[in-house]
Amino acid sequence: EVQLLESGGGLVQPGGSLRLSCAASGFSFSAYAMSWVRQVPGKGLDLVSTITNSGGNTYYADSVKGRFTTSRDNSKNTLYLQMNSLRAEDTAVYYCATNWNCDVWGQGTLVTVSS
Amino acid sequence: DVVMTQSPLSLPVTLGQPASISCRSSQSLVYSDGNTYLNWFQQRPGQSPRRLIYKVSNRDSGVPDRFSGSGSGTDFTLKISRVEVEDVGFYYCMQGTHWPRTFGQGTKVEIK
Repeated sequence: EVQLLESGGGLVQPGGSLRLSCAASGFSFSAYAMSWVRQVPGKGLDLVSTITNSGGNTYYADSVKGRFTTSRDNSKNTLYLQMNSLRAEDTAVYYCATNWNCDVWGQGTLVTVSS
Repeated sequence: DVVMTQSPLSLPVTLGQPASISCRSSQSLVYSDGNTYLNWFQQRPGQSPRRLIYKVSNRDSGVPDRFSGSGSGTDFTLKISRVEVEDVGFYYCMQGTHWPRTFGQGTKVEIK
């Protein structure tokens, strides 16, 4: 069974940093692109970033470009999202999902940016 | 960016009756490989999203056959043949043809 488990969320001050992790199991992690999607509580879905299966290419939404970095460690079956220069509008539940079209989703981790 | 427009945004339905959600894109979703990457997701209250349909009309594993997707180009539809209590929640379309991937605003399905 495919499982994705996000961690690393929490409360951070504006301008601060946070690193999210997504531990994958139940499938051949290194064979698949992976995506991060966020959802402001009570609102819709926004794709933040996608990384190719090898990690050689990454793609970002304009709203996070230059502040967020997606990476992966295929030896550890883990996806990461490094978030810097955080803003109040980055407050959201962050989900990791498999592949370019978000086949399977994790349970999400809440990031709150507030002073 | 490709704008995805869903309608209606709220859909009260009687149990056992059909439901239909429309999703329109601001550009054609036909990719250079000939495929149309239009997906549908369900998000039940308090849960993560779950993909129901990919490439317009293909059901994901475990998705009941009362869910069906159709459409082409810029105009797509998700249909539930007979709504059940477990179908309550939000439904989102998402295009996977253009970068950045974009979602519709979501449609809330509730029981009358």
